[in-house]
Amino acid sequence: GEDVEQSLFLSVREGDSSVINCTYTDSSSTYLYWYKQEPGAGLQLLTYIFSNMDMKQDQRLTVLLNKKDKHLSLRIADTQTGDSAIYFCAERISMNTGNTGKLIFGQGTTLQVKP
Amino acid sequence: ETGVTQTPRHLVMGMTNKKSLKCEQHLGHNAMYWYKQSAKKPLELMFVYNFKEQTENNSVPSRFSPECPNSSHLFLHLHTLQPEDSALYLCASSTYRGLVEKLFFGSGTQLSVL
Repeated sequence: GEDVEQSLFLSVREGDSSVINCTYTDSSSTYLYWYKQEPGAGLQLLTYIFSNMDMKQDQRLTVLLNKKDKHLSLRIADTQTGDSAIYFCAERISMNTGNTGKLIFGQGTTLQVKP
Repeated sequence: ETGVTQTPRHLVMGMTNKKSLKCEQHLGHNAMYWYKQSAKKPLELMFVYNFKEQTENNSVPSRFSPECPNSSHLFLHLHTLQPEDSALYLCASSTYRGLVEKLFFGSGTQLSVL
C-alpha cells in the first residue's frame, strides 16, 4: 500500500535542534523527499535522499533514512523562527507510463519555533 | 516564485455553482498535477497529466473535472460541490532529471463551499 505518516506538531525553542519523523510503507520507493510549506504558499522542495543512502547533509539540514524500518527523519540544526512552517515527507511511487512517478505525501508536521 | 501560477487565490462558491480553477507553468515541464490539501490529512493526489494525457485519476468524484489543453495549462472544473470539498487545491508540475523527480507547486486556491 501507499501510506506516509508523520506526527502533526512539534514545538522547539530557537537555537535548539528539531527532528521531524516520518514512516512510509512502499519498500520500492527510490527517492524520499522533504517539502516545506510556509503560510499562504505552496510546497517547496527542501531536500531529498536516494533510497540507497542512509544520510544526507545539506547545511543545517540532515536527512536520515532507515530503509529496514521505513523511517525517514529531518533534523534542522540551530532552528530559527523563520523555520516555522509545515514540513511534508513524501515518497516517490513509479507509475506505469513513462518516467513519471507520483509523490505520496504525509499529513505534514507543523513546526513551531519559540523565541 | 516557483514558476507555477494558480488563479484565483481564494474562491467561495455555493453548492449549485460552476467554477474553474486555473494553473499555468512556464518551466517547460511535461507533467502536471492536482492535489487537495485538507487540515490534518495527507496531501491527496487527485489527477496526473503527462504530456497532456491523463495518467492518474485517484478515484476523484465526477463533480471534479480536469482539463489539460497543453503542457503549460491545467484546469479543474467544479460543479455541484459539497461542503466537505472545501480545501486548499494545489497545482504542481514536475521535471525529471537523472532519476530525481522534483515537484514545483503553486500557492494554491483556497476553496470554500457554502
